[in-house]
Amino acid sequence: NAGVTQTPKFQVLKTGQSMTLQCAQDMNHEYMSWYRQDPGMGLRLIHYSVGAGITDQGEVPNGYNVSRSTTEDFPLRLLSAAPSQTSVYFCASKGGSSVDTQYFGPGTRLTVL
Amino acid sequence: GQQVMQIPQYQHVQEGEDFTTYCNSSTTLSNIQWYKQRPGGHPVFLIQLVKSGEVKKQKRLTFQFGEAKKNSSLHITATQTTDVGTYFCAGRRGFGNEKLTFGTGTRLTIIP
Repeated sequence: NAGVTQTPKFQVLKTGQSMTLQCAQDMNHEYMSWYRQDPGMGLRLIHYSVGAGITDQGEVPNGYNVSRSTTEDFPLRLLSAAPSQTSVYFCASKGGSSVDTQYFGPGTRLTVL
Repeated sequence: GQQVMQIPQYQHVQEGEDFTTYCNSSTTLSNIQWYKQRPGGHPVFLIQLVKSGEVKKQKRLTFQFGEAKKNSSLHITATQTTDVGTYFCAGRRGFGNEKLTFGTGTRLTIIP
C-alpha cells in the first residue's frame, strides 16, 4: 500500500492563479480531509468528506473547493490564489469507524507570491 | 467554536529529562488523539483516548484523558534524541462528528 499520496510536493503560484492539489489513498478509506498548517497555528481543517459524493466545510473553507467523485481521490482546488494561502497542505484519510487511525500524506508546500 | 489549546508552545530539555505537554479544550470531547510530527515531516498518529480518566502507555510515553473529558496530557519519561518533534493533540466533539480540532502543538527540542 502506498497509503496517502499528495502531488505536487512543492508549488509556487502567482496571486490570482488557480491550481489543484491532488490527494489519493489506496486503503479504501471512507473519510478524507484537507488541512493547512501555518507556523504557531497547528493544523486547521479546510474541507472533509465522509464518502464519495459527500463533502463538507471545515474551519477555514474560504478560497478552496473540493469534490469526491471516487473513494480514492480528494482533490483540493484553489480558485484564485492569494498570499494568505501560502502554507503547507496535508491530506488525511481514515476508515469509517470513529476509532480508526487517521493517516496523513507527506504534504504540499505552497507559496503564493 | 471549539478551541483546543496546548501548553507549552516550546520545550527544550536535556536528554534524559522528562517532558510533559498539556491539552485543554473549551468543550467536552468524545475522544482525543495525539500525533507526532518530526521536523519537515507529516503528523503521525500516536494514540486515541476515549474514556473519562483513561491512561494509556506506550513504552516511555504516558497519555491521560481528564475526568471531565476536556483535557489531556502526554508525558515522556527520560527523553531521547529520537523524541524531537512537535506533539499535537486533536479532539473530536461527538461520535459521528468527524471534525477533528487540533491543538497548536508543543515543539520539543532535546539538548544532547
